[in-house]
Amino acid sequence: DAKTTQPPSMDCAEGRAANLPCNHSTISGNEYVYWYRQIHSQGPQYIIHGLKNNETNEMASLIITEDRKSSTLILPHATLRDTAVYYCIVRVPGANNLFFGTGTRLTVIP
Amino acid sequence: DGGITQSPKYLFRKEGQNVTLSCEQNLNHDAMYWYRQDPGQGLRLIYYSQIVNDFQKGDIAEGYSVSREKKESFPLTVTSAQKNPTAFYLCASRDRVNYGYTFGSGTRLTVV
Repeated sequence: DAKTTQPPSMDCAEGRAANLPCNHSTISGNEYVYWYRQIHSQGPQYIIHGLKNNETNEMASLIITEDRKSSTLILPHATLRDTAVYYCIVRVPGANNLFFGTGTRLTVIP
Repeated sequence: DGGITQSPKYLFRKEGQNVTLSCEQNLNHDAMYWYRQDPGQGLRLIYYSQIVNDFQKGDIAEGYSVSREKKESFPLTVTSAQKNPTAFYLCASRDRVNYGYTFGSGTRLTVV
């Protein structure tokens, strides 16, 4: 799986958009970008994934650059409950190991 | 609702004892996984199973054992051979259709 680079921490004001970046410059053509988040002392929660097109669901939007070397997860209106560690993972679907690095710790501030 | 149930939530073990962590899923997923998480760290794969009666070692299998006698169940035994077992243990299963992972809420194991 390709290695990813994320900032260790970010703050966001409640109600504002949170934009979490991820670099994955060595991503290969058949690897998808997945995002998970982990609220303290809970299991990781799937958020969204994509290959090359931008994706949106009820939780977030995923913007992938045209060269696929980086992506941004967007939480459009952050709430206090969005405070968590966010993990960006690139992998081939069906691969048997999710490489979770240390992620980005997002703190939503009232 | 479908999901993964891990029990117990907290577990204390004396040194030299084996303990078994439970993981049950009702999602009809074929593949199941055990991960270990240490404070401030990412997840590391211990064991995984893609089908009943078959399992494979992950990156840190030493000192652990698993079984997969039923599709719904994938228990993890932390043996006395695991030198540093205090950690947060996470069980997951994977959907074969969209390859998404579902995680349990974890078991925090402490050696006393």
